Amino acid sequence: SYELTQPSSVSVSPGQTARITCSGDVLAKKYARWFQQKPGQAPVLVIYKDSERPSGIPERFSGSSSGTTVTLTISGAQVEDEADYYCYSAADNNQVFGGGTKLTVL
Amino acid sequence: EVQLVESGGGLVQPGGSLRLSCAASGFTFSDHYMDWVRQAPGKGLEWVGRTRNKANSYTTEYAASVKGRFTISRDDSKNSLYLQMNSLKTEDTAVYYCRGGDADAFDIWGQGTMVTVSS
Repeated sequence: SYELTQPSSVSVSPGQTARITCSGDVLAKKYARWFQQKPGQAPVLVIYKDSERPSGIPERFSGSSSGTTVTLTISGAQVEDEADYYCYSAADNNQVFGGGTKLTVL
Repeated sequence: EVQLVESGGGLVQPGGSLRLSCAASGFTFSDHYMDWVRQAPGKGLEWVGRTRNKANSYTTEYAASVKGRFTISRDDSKNSLYLQMNSLKTEDTAVYYCRGGDADAFDIWGQGTMVTVSS
């Protein structure tokens, strides 16, 4: 089975840069996506193909990749960015989510 | 408006069956792969399974945790996705989301339907 490992929590003050990492062997060969999920809501795609940003997602969200680790960066985090963030990738015929990172902005 | 709406959730006893539905609108349903993803209370996201589009022969894949018990199907003529769940276990209790996507930025989710497996 394939695994993606994320820190359980990250905390920053408003205006600071938040970085959330996701590690897994599959990431050396496959693209990653990042999803944002706020309480009681469905997940929303914020990054695809490691570093591409869908239309409508603020420019402060960016993604990068190096080897078996991908990173979601939120530059100048806002209070409204407080949420759970999940990385996601695919390997062979399986799709896998990371365990999720709770981002606190306060 | 691009939209996915799930239905069919509810309370079921262990060993029972349930069929979830997902109605799509606002996009070309037949062009996209469709997934079911679940989230147990207070837990993270878990991919359940996928059905690909006609161009990819409607192939299906399942997570090991549900393989042999769950079946995903789609009806492109009705813009609908289904999840037949048999031999349900208490650990299948979760919010079940349907999700549609492609290789690029198209990635939409429904609001989810709750399935509770309990005696």
